Amino acid sequence: SQQGEEDPQALSIQEGENATMNCSYKTSINNLQWYRQNSGRGLVHLILIRSNEREKHSGRLRVTLDTSKKSSSLLITASRAADTASYFCATDPNSGYSTLTFGKGTMLLVSP
Amino acid sequence: NAGVTQTPKFQVLKTGQSMTLQCAQDMNHEYMSWYRQDPGMGLRLIHYSVGAGITDQGEVPNGYNVSRSTTEDFPLRLLSAAPSQTSVYFCASTSPQGRETQYFGPGTRLLVL
Repeated sequence: SQQGEEDPQALSIQEGENATMNCSYKTSINNLQWYRQNSGRGLVHLILIRSNEREKHSGRLRVTLDTSKKSSSLLITASRAADTASYFCATDPNSGYSTLTFGKGTMLLVSP
Repeated sequence: NAGVTQTPKFQVLKTGQSMTLQCAQDMNHEYMSWYRQDPGMGLRLIHYSVGAGITDQGEVPNGYNVSRSTTEDFPLRLLSAAPSQTSVYFCASTSPQGRETQYFGPGTRLLVL
């Protein structure tokens, strides 16, 4: 069963606009990660935020984590057509031999 | 480094046939895993391994078998293919113990007729 659920399922914006995607999860976590998948390709790791962190930046990416609400957001600023992809959050549950659990993803379309 | 490699890229099987999807990594990662990705379902974990000789089941293990004889290789076997196993299969590796960044292979597209 999916631990993380992304919202919205699909997002369409113009180049230069910001894109925000959200992820909600159910159980306590060690960390939360965001991945990107271009059509027909494997997933590529974007950023990891640990449970004791509230915000993290990487280039045009900004990730926030609110453990009290069990939610995270990914902001892509000044989006480009090349950002068109599906974005997935993955959680590392804070129990036992952990494995990452992926959400169903947000499909982002950035139009020129 | 080649990273995580998967073969074949595409495969068509008939119901009942068996086959092995190959996965190899050259990063000396202890942890390897297999996922399947179906439209609207995200990625679901099939099997994973935390080291040579150690494997365990994920969320959807039925119909699949794995072994880990070396650190580098983690093959996934379909014992008797069914149309429900039509999917895209991804192998991933990480270190340590699956809690950090996972590195994905390019995937294998499987069609079972």
